[in-house]
Amino acid sequence: KAGVTQTPRYLIKTRGQQVTLSCSPISGHRSVSWYQQTPGQGLQFLFEYFSETQRNKGNFPGRFSGRQFSNSRSEMNVSTLELGDSALYLCASSFAGAGYEQYFGPGTRLTVT
Amino acid sequence: QQQVKQSPQSLIVQKGGISIINCAYENTAFDYFPWYQQFPGKGPALLIAIRPDVSEKKEGRFTISFNKSAKQFSLHIMDSQPGDSATYFCAASMGGGGSNYKLTFGKGTLLTVNP
Repeated sequence: KAGVTQTPRYLIKTRGQQVTLSCSPISGHRSVSWYQQTPGQGLQFLFEYFSETQRNKGNFPGRFSGRQFSNSRSEMNVSTLELGDSALYLCASSFAGAGYEQYFGPGTRLTVT
Repeated sequence: QQQVKQSPQSLIVQKGGISIINCAYENTAFDYFPWYQQFPGKGPALLIAIRPDVSEKKEGRFTISFNKSAKQFSLHIMDSQPGDSATYFCAASMGGGGSNYKLTFGKGTLLTVNP
């Protein structure tokens, strides 16, 4: 079975721009979660989608949004990028959610200049 | 509010030794406790997980010990090898139909196993 894939792997953007990151979960998994990882804050939960519905959202500003498609693929968008948004963005997929085995992709390294 | 506290922040162990990483949680509604291993440039990889109905779970050289009354759980790596050198994260969630649907992570432990 193929693992979780994320595209692109690396991204450099300028402050004020917007960015869209993509995640393809493991086949058969309907839950996709997004996390932000930084050296200072560690791994922080952004949001979780299950069958195209957002079930939970972390404590991030409205500039961070996401969606899930009918094939379970997910995208997250960050608008009006700030320097502090530089981070590794990780996607995780699970059969049913965070209370079950959750598998992470390699992440997208976003650098905002 | 940090709901999962992990210690130590860093750990150096000799090859063949036992590595022990501890976590404490506050929310008694947590009912799923996984450990992840992360190498530089990679995403976290699920190592082993436990639910509160058991006090210990072993998979190969990795063992989780769980103390529900103390709200603590720990990861033991037996016969530690240089290849185990990585950052380890504990996490907790309210699964099984709860409304949480997220993993709350500890801050991580950087393990170095010297040859």
